[in-house]
Amino acid sequence: DIQMTQSPSTLSASIGDRATITCRASQSIDSWLAWYQQKPGQAPKLLIYQASKLESGVPLRFSGSGSGTQFTLTISSLQAEDVAVYYCQQYSSAPDTFGQGTKVEIK
Amino acid sequence: EVQLVESGGGLVQPGGSLRLSCEASGFTISDYWMHWVRQAPGKGLVWVSHINRDGTMTNYADSVRGRFTISRDDARNTLFLQMNSLRPEDTAVFYCARGDSSGLGYWGQGTLVTVSS
Repeated sequence: DIQMTQSPSTLSASIGDRATITCRASQSIDSWLAWYQQKPGQAPKLLIYQASKLESGVPLRFSGSGSGTQFTLTISSLQAEDVAVYYCQQYSSAPDTFGQGTKVEIK
Repeated sequence: EVQLVESGGGLVQPGGSLRLSCEASGFTISDYWMHWVRQAPGKGLVWVSHINRDGTMTNYADSVRGRFTISRDDARNTLFLQMNSLRPEDTAVFYCARGDSSGLGYWGQGTLVTVSS
């Protein structure tokens, strides 16, 4: 099985700061990586697919990059509404594993 | 409008069974890979199972293989998850989701399964 490792576990930043989350795969997944945002009491929401493609309706301050085993989700200017837990997921091969999540807080 | 509505969760004793349903509307489930994902209280997302477009291929997480079975009824446009031999560690919110090359773009609201005596 492919293991997905996210860092950091918690990210605390100020409004307007740039926030970066990293996801590492235990083997190459090409660009078959998605990022999800989950707010308390809600289902996850797709933000980024195929590593760098922005889902329709997602604010442009969100971006994704990477391929192979190293991936990054960047929020260019953190907003209060971005407080959530963020997960990466590989869908290169079953089981379609998730990272353990990164909690984003406002400092 | 795409919608996924899960049902069938509840309280069950260890060793018991439950069947979860996920009724889809706004699209045809046989046009997509369909997935189950779970989330234990206060924990992260865990992929559980998926079924391919023509229903000929299924995959499972190691933790549920041999106990859970994914299936679907195309006439009812509904996805199922039959869960047998349930354990306390299966306690979670179970989500169904629609998948394609763009990841899991649509999710249901989830149904809570509690395994406890």
